[in-house]
Amino acid sequence: AQTVTQSQPEMSVQEAETVTLSCTYDTSESDYYLFWYKQPPSRQMILVIRQEAYKQQNATENRFSVNFQKAAKSFSLKISDSQLGDAAMYFCAYRSSTQGGSEKLVFGKGTKLTVNP
Amino acid sequence: GAVVSQHPSRVICKSGTSVKIECRSLDFQATTMFWYRQFPKQSLMLMATSNEGSKATYEQGVEKDKFLINHASLTLSTLTVTSAHPEDSSFYICSARRWVDNGELFFGEGSRLTVL
Repeated sequence: AQTVTQSQPEMSVQEAETVTLSCTYDTSESDYYLFWYKQPPSRQMILVIRQEAYKQQNATENRFSVNFQKAAKSFSLKISDSQLGDAAMYFCAYRSSTQGGSEKLVFGKGTKLTVNP
Repeated sequence: GAVVSQHPSRVICKSGTSVKIECRSLDFQATTMFWYRQFPKQSLMLMATSNEGSKATYEQGVEKDKFLINHASLTLSTLTVTSAHPEDSSFYICSARRWVDNGELFFGEGSRLTVL
């Protein structure tokens, strides 16, 4: 079974600075998706960024980028120019993409990000 | 983007009663929906996978008779917590898969259940 580990329960960053959230995962599959979701106080999960495992290029979405190291099974999220609105719980998640594989998302335990003004 | 709506967002009920939570995909058809449970300050735990027109697939440890899931149409799945007890109090979140865009999942706003 796949597992996702987020080793940082809490992180803080100064506004306008850069922060990196860590995520590692364990799988025997070669093809899969990795995600970072944001859950603000409103509790609705919002997709931040997605990475397909077959792509070597790291995904980027504006101020959000990932460092995907497939061999190391590492998938960190970098937030640049942090804003107060970035404060939230961040969840790393894994999903199989192989035919016949599980469709379900496996979540890490989350990292609470605080942005200090 | 695609919208998934949950209703009600908050519900308080007495112990022993049943509560139904709806999950609707408003602008796309979803053959598969997922129900999660989230305890305070914890991650989302998958409860079951809801498939339109067939029985839901429950995760290990989730009581099928306790948490009834019905996916009667391509835009609606319901979770009924039967004979609710205080330990069922939690935040329940649904998600729906849209088969465009590599099957991205869209999440509902969540429903907070409090059982007195």
